[in-house]
Amino acid sequence: GDSVTQMEGPVTLSEEAFLTINCTYTATGYPSLFWYVQYPGEGLQLLLKATKADDKGSNKGFEATYRKETTSFHLEKGSVQVSDSAVYFCALIRTSGTYKYIFGTGTRLKVLA
Amino acid sequence: DAGVTQSPTHLIKTRGQQVTLRCSPKSGHDTVSWYQQALGQGPQFIFQYYEEEERQRGNFPDRFSGHQFPNYSSELNVNALLLGDSALYLCASSLMDATNEKLFFGSGTQLSVL
Repeated sequence: GDSVTQMEGPVTLSEEAFLTINCTYTATGYPSLFWYVQYPGEGLQLLLKATKADDKGSNKGFEATYRKETTSFHLEKGSVQVSDSAVYFCALIRTSGTYKYIFGTGTRLKVLA
Repeated sequence: DAGVTQSPTHLIKTRGQQVTLRCSPKSGHDTVSWYQQALGQGPQFIFQYYEEEERQRGNFPDRFSGHQFPNYSSELNVNALLLGDSALYLCASSLMDATNEKLFFGSGTQLSVL
């Protein structure tokens, strides 16, 4: 079945460091891919998405590129801030048939001042 | 514009009891999905409601049931609670359009089963 695998956390970085959170997926067909972020005490918020191969999603300085050949959707940010501390979830949804999301287990990011 | 609201925020129950969680979707949304998020895990899909009917279901037993009302709000019911049902329950709303992709999540109900 469909699945999403994320790098395990926690990831601890200093402010202004470069961030990469790895995500790979297994799915039939051509799913849409997403990154959601969960701040403490809150629900998940959509961070960015990509709907087809080679698409790049971007938002708030975060970027991720849909790589079909490596079935990956790695999240990157050039310079993290303390306010980026949160849990990040990679997810997929098939664009035909069912519409249920498959989420990864999440990666906790802690940014130190 | 209110987002997705869930109630209650926290709940403590004992094994064998029944619980009802409530969700009001974002204004303009017609579809509600429920997810279970165990500690340290990603959300797991329970089911989705549209037009007052369950449209899809994940791998959850029949103890988990739901309902959607004409105003699009929804309830999640869990019977015969088990310790393993302790989790954060998230409601997400969306539009049942051609893509049905973007989910808006509430802050969740933290259920503890003792």
